[in-house]
This record gives sequence, C-alpha cells and structure tokens, in this order.
Amino acid sequence: DAGVTQSPTHLIKTRGQQVTLRCSPKSGHDTVSWYQQALGQGPQFIFQYYEEEERQRGNFPDRFSGHQFPNYSSELNVNALLLGDSALYLCASSLRGPEAFFGQGTRLTVV
Amino acid sequence: DQQVKQNSPSLSVQEGRISILNCDYTNSMFDYFLWYKKYPAEGPTFLISISSIKDKNEDGRFTVFLNKSAKHLSLHIVPSQPGDSAVYFCAASEDQGGKLIFGQGTELSVKP
Repeated sequence: DAGVTQSPTHLIKTRGQQVTLRCSPKSGHDTVSWYQQALGQGPQFIFQYYEEEERQRGNFPDRFSGHQFPNYSSELNVNALLLGDSALYLCASSLRGPEAFFGQGTRLTVV
Repeated sequence: DQQVKQNSPSLSVQEGRISILNCDYTNSMFDYFLWYKKYPAEGPTFLISISSIKDKNEDGRFTVFLNKSAKHLSLHIVPSQPGDSAVYFCAASEDQGGKLIFGQGTELSVKP
C-alpha cells in the first residue's frame, strides 16, 4: 500500500517564476492538506482540500493556490516566487480522523 | 502568535532511559493532539495521538499525557533506543481532520 507520494523531490526556481507541486494521497484517503516547513521551524498549514474544494486556508497570500482532482490527488501552485518561499513543502492526507499522514516533501529553492 | 510551543530545542538521553518531550499550547479550543517524528530528508511520521477527553494514551514504548488545566502535553518514550533519535513535533487541532498547528520541534538524541 503506497503512502503519500510527492513530486518532484527537489526543485530550483528563479524569483518571479511559477511552480507546481504534486501529491498523491494514501490509498483510501480523500482529504489533502499542504504545509510549508521553513528551516528550523514546524510545518505551517497552507490549505486543505476535500471533495475538490478548498475547505480551510491558513495565513498564506493568494499567490498560493491549489487544486484537488476527482482521484483525490492534489497540486499546489505558487506564483511570483519570492526568495522567502524557499522551504520544504509537505503534503498530508487523511480520512475523517485527526491523524494526517505525510509525504516525503518537495524541497523548493528559489534563487 | 505561537499557539503550540516546544520550549526545548534539543534533548539528549542515554539508551534504555526514559525520554520526556514537552509541549504547551494556548488555544483552549484544541481537541486533538498528535506527536510526529521526523528524520532528515523525510516527511513527518505519525506516532501517537490523544483527544481532549482523555488524559493518557499508550502505544508500545510511547505514551502521551495530556493535562488540560495546564494546557500541557508530554510524550514519554520508554526505553529509549538510538533509532529514536530524530526531531519530534507536537501538533494540535480543533477538529478531526482539520488543520494541524505544529510546535517548533525538539531534537532528541539517544546515545548508546
């Protein structure tokens, strides 16, 4: 049973560019959440998708957007990249309960 | 506004002894609390959770204690093993399946 998978694992982008990160949830899970983890900090909630709609959103600007597909997989899009967007981006999936299961993350570096 | 705090950035313990990791929170609306372990270059791995209606939950070597009046929870690992060396995050949520608010993490080092 595959867990949560994210792609790509590493990415380097230039300031001002746009990036798309992808996530496949754990089998049977229908809810996907995205988190940003800066160095030395805990993960910070970006948003959550359920039934292809954004259900909750954290304190992130509109440059961060997402999508969930009918097969429950999800994308995170970040426009007009800033140096401060450099971080580990984590996807987590869940099904009803409080426990969320994380992927290995995508390390984004903005130069 | 840090709603979940882990005040100890690091902890060193001898193999076989007990490891106690602490976490404080400020939001009285939190109903679920979770602990995650994270190795470098990996995503967080779920360890154990507890709901606010309980004060203790055990799973093998891991026990989580919740003191609602003090807004404090702790994770006990007994006995500690070198493979437990990792960064541990506590997290809290107001509802099942809702957003998780994480602490800053505590790096545990278990020495042989």
